[in-house]
Amino acid sequence: SQQGEEDPQALSIQEGENATMNCSYKTSINNLQWYRQNSGRGLVHLILIRSNEREKHSGRLRVTLDTSKKSSSLLITASRAADTASYFCATDHYSSYKLIFGSGTRLLVRP
Amino acid sequence: EPEVTQTPSHQVTQMGQEVILRCVPISNHLYFYWYRQILGQKVEFLVSFYNNEISEKSEIFDDQFSVERPDGSNFTLKIRSTKLEDSAMYFCASSGRGALGRGGELFFGEGSRLTVL
Repeated sequence: SQQGEEDPQALSIQEGENATMNCSYKTSINNLQWYRQNSGRGLVHLILIRSNEREKHSGRLRVTLDTSKKSSSLLITASRAADTASYFCATDHYSSYKLIFGSGTRLLVRP
Repeated sequence: EPEVTQTPSHQVTQMGQEVILRCVPISNHLYFYWYRQILGQKVEFLVSFYNNEISEKSEIFDDQFSVERPDGSNFTLKIRSTKLEDSAMYFCASSGRGALGRGGELFFGEGSRLTVL
């Protein structure tokens, strides 16, 4: 089954605004992670939230996790043009070794 | 800062040819992965590798694919007879944390773009 479906698929905002991306998944998870990918580049880990955590912060990033709704959100505050990238959530599960990536949100921050 | 390196960055091949993509994971990592991303689409899991054997593989990873860690530093993905639909960006990743490799951050290389003509 597919895991980690993000919405919106694309988001365009003005520099300085906040960007919120959502991720939904279908089966119970061990952890949920968010990654960033600049165009044509590799993925870079941003933040990990464990299944028993509800919220986590890292700099301008805030991640929430609602296991009852099987969803997570990534908030980027005070966005910058350099935040322009694709953002992916990824889940791992107790019975598996793999990290399953969602379809991603393409964020464009306009200067 | 340690990083995962991949070669080649771009390879063009004819359909039916064999391709080997190479990766040097971070030196103290124990868990290794290959993912692929068809242009603009999802990042798809191919295979995970631990303790010199495949720990998990996806349905994409059929008999045309194989992985090897030949010398303790390199981690290779071989596609025996390439098809047009194998055209994609292939990412190697490694991880050093988590029980049995679960729950850890993955460190990705910059990818190898494979174009099959």
